[in-house]
Amino acid sequence: GQNIDQPTEMTATEGAIVQINCTYQTSGFNGLFWYQQHAGEAPTFLSYNVLDGLEEKGRFSSFLSRSKGYSYLLLKELQMKDSASYLCSARQLTFGSGTQLTVLP
Amino acid sequence: DTEVTQTPKHLVMGMTNKKSLKCEQHMGHRAMYWYKQKAKKPPELMFVYSYEKLSINESVPSRFSPECPNSSLLNLHLHALQPEDSALYLCASSHPQGANTGELFFGEGSRLTVL
Repeated sequence: GQNIDQPTEMTATEGAIVQINCTYQTSGFNGLFWYQQHAGEAPTFLSYNVLDGLEEKGRFSSFLSRSKGYSYLLLKELQMKDSASYLCSARQLTFGSGTQLTVLP
Repeated sequence: DTEVTQTPKHLVMGMTNKKSLKCEQHMGHRAMYWYKQKAKKPPELMFVYSYEKLSINESVPSRFSPECPNSSLLNLHLHALQPEDSALYLCASSHPQGANTGELFFGEGSRLTVL
């Protein structure tokens, strides 16, 4: 089975940095995925971590600690278009409840 | 081509109707998925096909019947649905587990309303 915890909602200001945390317990770990989903649209892949450490991809970075069952998604230089739901998945097939991020001007 | 195409985009059906949702991808992915998503909830896995064979059925009611005619196509046949089945149905594809990153590529979804 899988148990994933993420905050339900977060708010941040344009230009700021925000960190979305995800803790997980899963019976079959094959990497940690982050997806972004804008309202009314399909989820899109953001990042994948299978080894411990930080993966950086432009304004977005993702961190993984397998021993702690912990990951975070770091968004820098926030833009209004980053307002979306961010979904964490510790197995490819199922998702956490998602974190709704609102970026304010 | 990195697209997953779903048709129709919108579907309204009565509880006695039979309809089908269709999904197509030409990325050479050999794993395809159906998800159901209700408002303000994450996608919930329904079915997984791997190499055109059903590998996972998440205890979905039999009024939903998946079909994978070939490696590019995935259908979801609908019959005798209930109003609570109204949702966004998302198709996704990926390389099978163990190959590449396994990231999911989603279609735009079919929004289903059951009256």
